[in-house]
Amino acid sequence: AQKVTQAQTEISVVEKEDVTLDCVYETRDTTYYLFWYKQPPSGELVFLIRRNSFDEQNEISGRYSWNFQKSTSSFNFTITASQVVDSAVYFCALSEGSYGQNFVFGPGTRLSVLP
Amino acid sequence: DSGVTQTPKHLITATGQRVTLRCSPRSGDLSVYWYQQSLDQGLQFLIQYYNGEERAKGNILERFSAQQFPDLHSELNLSSLELGDSALYFCASSVAASAGGNEQFFGPGTRLTVL
Repeated sequence: AQKVTQAQTEISVVEKEDVTLDCVYETRDTTYYLFWYKQPPSGELVFLIRRNSFDEQNEISGRYSWNFQKSTSSFNFTITASQVVDSAVYFCALSEGSYGQNFVFGPGTRLSVLP
Repeated sequence: DSGVTQTPKHLITATGQRVTLRCSPRSGDLSVYWYQQSLDQGLQFLIQYYNGEERAKGNILERFSAQQFPDLHSELNLSSLELGDSALYFCASSVAASAGGNEQFFGPGTRLTVL
């Protein structure tokens, strides 16, 4: 069965620090998708990125970047120059199966960015 | 605003009762997904519908059922409620059939409290 581990339960940083959130996944499928979602204090879930298993290129979007390494089954998320608005719970998720029907979330990492 | 609407926002009921949660997807989206977020279980995928048909099933209890109507809105029915069913229930929608293949847009959630 697939599994997603986010070993960091809570992280606190001071504004402008860089922070990396770890995500390690387990799957037996060769085709799968990885996601990151953000859940700010207001409670809604916000999609950040989707990656398929055949695309190991790292991605950068503004202050956000993602590092996908199949060799270590990791899909880590880095926020550069963190801001207070980045404070949220971040979830890594894995989807596998022909239609991506087996969808599992990690337990989440609570990030607190202090002013 | 994701464009996905959920009603009601809050629901308080008693054990043994039955409730219905409603979700309207973004205009043009054919897929609807239901998720449960609780302190004990974290975020769990329950079920997906695509254009009126059940597409994928996750950790959905037999006491729970869902359907998607011709106008594409979806309802999640929870019956014989137990204290442990208290949770935040999210609905999400996407354009395509594959849960893994595309971005999902989440509604604000329905907070269910079972007393």
